[in-house]
Amino acid sequence: DIVMTQSPLSLPVTPGEPASISCRSSQSLLHSNGYNYLDWYLQKPGQSPQRLINLGSHRASGVPDRFRGSGSGTDYTLQISRVEAEDVGVYYCMQTLEAPYSFGQGTKLEIK
Amino acid sequence: QVELLQSRGEVKKPGASVKVSCKASGYTFTSYGITWVRQAPGQGLEWMGWISPYSGNTNYAEKFQGRITMTTDTSSTTVYMEVGSLRSDDTAVYYCAKVGVPGTILGRGFYMDVWGKGTTVTVSS
Repeated sequence: DIVMTQSPLSLPVTPGEPASISCRSSQSLLHSNGYNYLDWYLQKPGQSPQRLINLGSHRASGVPDRFRGSGSGTDYTLQISRVEAEDVGVYYCMQTLEAPYSFGQGTKLEIK
Repeated sequence: QVELLQSRGEVKKPGASVKVSCKASGYTFTSYGITWVRQAPGQGLEWMGWISPYSGNTNYAEKFQGRITMTTDTSSTTVYMEVGSLRSDDTAVYYCAKVGVPGTILGRGFYMDVWGKGTTVTVSS
């Protein structure tokens, strides 16, 4: 099974400052078709998770462009260019290359 | 709009079974699979498995093989997941989520685009 590892697990950020979350997979998520099967989800406090990005860098409809996904192979990054108060919550990466799909442990972003 | 309405929370004793439902609306039910994800208290997300409402095909995480059963009822556009032989560590919020790409066999890239609000299952003697 593919193991997903995120860092950091806790991320205090000052509003307006950038933030970056790393996600590493135990095997490459880059398929021969050129797609990276890596998604990002955000679970805001008291809510269900919501999709931010799929296929490594494709933002979901309605997701602000301050969120950017990048990376390939086994190393991926979610960057927020300027953190806002509404961005607090736990961010999860997830691989969808092969079953069983698997999530990272989550990174809790909080406002300083 | 697309909506997934989940059943109410349940309290079960160890060794019992629980059946959680997820009623879908706002889209063509048979075109998109449903994934189940659970979250233990204070913990992260855990992928449990997937079902195609069109074909009934399932794909369960090996961890849950033999203990979970996912089914669908196309007449009521409802997906069910039954978890048997409950243990205390099955206490969790169980989410259903609609997959964003069509398919009758679990493939690559089956991201979740709409989530239910979750069903809390508490296992306690």
